[in-house]
Amino acid sequence: KNQVEQSPQSLIILEGKNCTLQCNYTVSPFSNLRWYKQDTGRGPVSLTIMTFSENTKSNGRYTATLDADTKQSSLHITASQLSDSASYICVVILQTGANNLFFGTGTRLTVIP
Amino acid sequence: NAGVTQTPKFRILKIGQSMTLQCAQDMNHNYMYWYRQDPGMGLKLIYYSVGAGITDKGEVPNGYNVSRSTTEDFPLRLELAAPSQTSVYFCASSRRAVDEPQHFGDGTRLSIL
Repeated sequence: KNQVEQSPQSLIILEGKNCTLQCNYTVSPFSNLRWYKQDTGRGPVSLTIMTFSENTKSNGRYTATLDADTKQSSLHITASQLSDSASYICVVILQTGANNLFFGTGTRLTVIP
Repeated sequence: NAGVTQTPKFRILKIGQSMTLQCAQDMNHNYMYWYRQDPGMGLKLIYYSVGAGITDKGEVPNGYNVSRSTTEDFPLRLELAAPSQTSVYFCASSRRAVDEPQHFGDGTRLSIL
């Protein structure tokens, strides 16, 4: 069982609409949680980083939330654009160091005109 | 600022051949990583390095080797390529291990036939 689960696996929305992507994790001891955007054929690019004490972090139209008690995070995209079409990857990092990053399998978002 | 540069972008190998995937970063980051990304799976850590001269195994190191003779370069060596090594390989770097984002290259797409 994957220790970082993302849902949905894929999502299609109309341009201009909002959407929310989910990330549930089981790993601990938790240090921080990151959301990455991965365009087709490119490497992941960091969107947000949240530590244990933060429950929300924004980056433009992207807003991530974190509930460390329930081990859930969400990424909300406002007023979607065609350029938001990408995979969004949730990554949980443990306190123990460089080799303890747990990657979700991603949500594939397609924004259509 | 080039960031993380990976070469080649694409490669086809025959079973049993060897090759080196190149990775260079110009951000003076101490930490560097190699991941593989298979369809429908999260990124898996192959090897990582916390500084020049220091490397360590990740989750899936079998069939690979690395070296870190300089801060900038972190090549990944495939010996005796096998079909199971068909994947997209990403190199990443970061200034610190836990609380700063990783910067990824755009990947090397490798097929073993």
